[in-house]
Amino acid sequence: EDKVVQSPLSLVVHEGDTVTLNCSYEVTNFRSLLWYKQEKKAPTFLFMLTSSGIEKKSGRLSSILDKKELFSILNITATQTGDSAIYLCAVEASESNFGNEKLTFGTGTRLTIIP
Amino acid sequence: DSGVTQTPKHLITATGQRVTLRCSPRSGDLSVYWYQQSLDQGLQFLIQYYNGEERAKGNILERFSAQQFPDLHSELNLSSLELGDSALYFCASSVSWWPTSGNTIYFGEGSWLTVV
Repeated sequence: EDKVVQSPLSLVVHEGDTVTLNCSYEVTNFRSLLWYKQEKKAPTFLFMLTSSGIEKKSGRLSSILDKKELFSILNITATQTGDSAIYLCAVEASESNFGNEKLTFGTGTRLTIIP
Repeated sequence: DSGVTQTPKHLITATGQRVTLRCSPRSGDLSVYWYQQSLDQGLQFLIQYYNGEERAKGNILERFSAQQFPDLHSELNLSSLELGDSALYFCASSVSWWPTSGNTIYFGEGSWLTVV
């Protein structure tokens, strides 16, 4: 069974701090890894990673994938209160070489930024 | 606004009852996915439909069923409800049967189900 594990489960930091969120996975037929931010209800897309070692960056957020060690990290620098959210990691994998792709989500990291 | 519409937003019902959750995908999206999010288990994939046909199945209980109609909207039916079914149920949609295929799936705001 595909497995996605995120750590830490919860993190509380002060505004301006830098945080690193972790996601490790065990899946067959890996396709891609995605990061989502969930503030109130619907998760919103942040990054999709398919290749090892290539950093994706968007403002203060960046993410990188290591397909050999089967993990990804999401970094947020100079955190702001608006970064408070649940950050979800999801891995897309297929049950065979020809289909039945599905996204498996981790339980998320709840990040709280204190002013 | 993702363009995915879910109704109802909130629902409170008693154990043993049956409810139907409704989802309208983004315009042009052929795939609909259903996810269940509870406090301790994160987002659990339930089922996917593509253009009216079941495409992939996750950890969906036998008491739950879903379908996608010709106009591409989808319904998730939950029956013989138990307290443990209380959760946020998300619908998501994407253009193709492959969840990402270079794009992403787009989530609705969710339907919050409370079973009492």
